[in-house]
Amino acid sequence: GNSVTQMEGPVTLSEEAFLTINCTYTATGYPSLFWYVQYPGEGLQLLLKATKADDKGSNKGFEATYRKETTSFHLEKGSVQVSDSAVYFCAFSDSNYQLIWGAGTKLIIKP
Amino acid sequence: GAVVSQHPSWVICKSGTSVKIECRSLDFQATTMFWYRQFPKQSLMLMATSNEGSKATYEQGVEKDKFLINHASLTLSTLTVTSAHPEDSSFYICSARVRGGTAYEQYFGPGTRLTVT
Repeated sequence: GNSVTQMEGPVTLSEEAFLTINCTYTATGYPSLFWYVQYPGEGLQLLLKATKADDKGSNKGFEATYRKETTSFHLEKGSVQVSDSAVYFCAFSDSNYQLIWGAGTKLIIKP
Repeated sequence: GAVVSQHPSWVICKSGTSVKIECRSLDFQATTMFWYRQFPKQSLMLMATSNEGSKATYEQGVEKDKFLINHASLTLSTLTVTSAHPEDSSFYICSARVRGGTAYEQYFGPGTRLTVT
């Protein structure tokens, strides 16, 4: 069935470090892929998206590329900041336009 | 941008009472709204899909008589937790899908923290 697998957290990095949060999915067809972010005490926000193979979504210095061959959508950022500390969710939309969620990865950035 | 509000943002109630949570799309019409429950270790669980003017579709394992969902208009959906118990304490999040939109036009509310004592 449909599912999303993402890195278990927490992931702890120092400021200015390189970030990768892995995400792979199992789905039929070619779903749209998303990363959502939840800052402490806040609701979910769409961070970036990609709707077809080889698309690269980007926002706020974060990037993720839709890799059909590996069914992956890994999130990357070249230099993280303390303000990036949050929980990151990978997701895709199924044929009914419902979102299928990963378990979330808590990111902690230390100054 | 599209804004979704939830009210209240937090609520404490006694065991056995009912609590209503409102979800509103403030600047767009949403034919479909979703209700999620977020557990302490952050995973999101879709509880139900609410379509305007029709009955909600509940996910497997979610008690529809306990979690009453009403989507009376294109901008308002409500979740009522009936006869609440401490195990219902959680963070409830709604989202609204823009009419005619695809999945990436789904906008989330800030969530409601429910504590049942």
